[in-house]
Amino acid sequence: GNSVTQMEGPVTLSEEAFLTINCTYTATGYPSLFWYVQYPGEGLQLLLKATKADDKGSNKGFEATYRKETTSFHLEKGSVQVSDSAVYFCAYTGTASKLTFGTGTRLQVTL
Amino acid sequence: DTGVSQNPRHKITKRGQNVTFRCDPISEHNRLYWYRQTLGQGPEFLTYFQNEAQLEKSRLLSDRFSAERPKGSFSTLEIQRTEQGDSAMYLCASSLGWRGLINEQFFGPGTRLTVL
Repeated sequence: GNSVTQMEGPVTLSEEAFLTINCTYTATGYPSLFWYVQYPGEGLQLLLKATKADDKGSNKGFEATYRKETTSFHLEKGSVQVSDSAVYFCAYTGTASKLTFGTGTRLQVTL
Repeated sequence: DTGVSQNPRHKITKRGQNVTFRCDPISEHNRLYWYRQTLGQGPEFLTYFQNEAQLEKSRLLSDRFSAERPKGSFSTLEIQRTEQGDSAMYLCASSLGWRGLINEQFFGPGTRLTVL
């Protein structure tokens, strides 16, 4: 069935380290792909999105490229900050309007 | 604040009781979604409305669950005869969407339900 698989956390990094959070999806057709972020005590916020193959979504220094050949949408950031500590969710939506989420990856950035 | 709002933010109830949650979407948004999130998991889709029409329901939405959006604005989610397994965060989201157009879903802060 349709699903999203993302790497398990927690991921613990030192400030200014490089971040990669892997995400792969199983879906029919041509889904749109998203990364959502949930900061401590706050609601889900859209971080970035890509709607077709080879699109790159970017925001706040984060990037992810829609790779149809590998069905992946890995999240990257060149230099993380303590304020990036949060839970990150990969998600997609297809012909239906609902979002299908991964289980989330907790990122902890330390000084 | 013009974001999505949900009430109450927390609800503690005893098993077997009925509960009702309310969601107020962003005013011009025609689509409204309900999701459920349990600890350590991502949100799971429950149902969605386009205006007042309920267009899709997940099989997670048992017959104890009912959702309404009577005037195409706010929505309510009712759970009858609550069970301990219903304990979760219930999230509401809204978007401005039309067939074939994918628009960002904006999420509310959620209602945390604890069933004792």
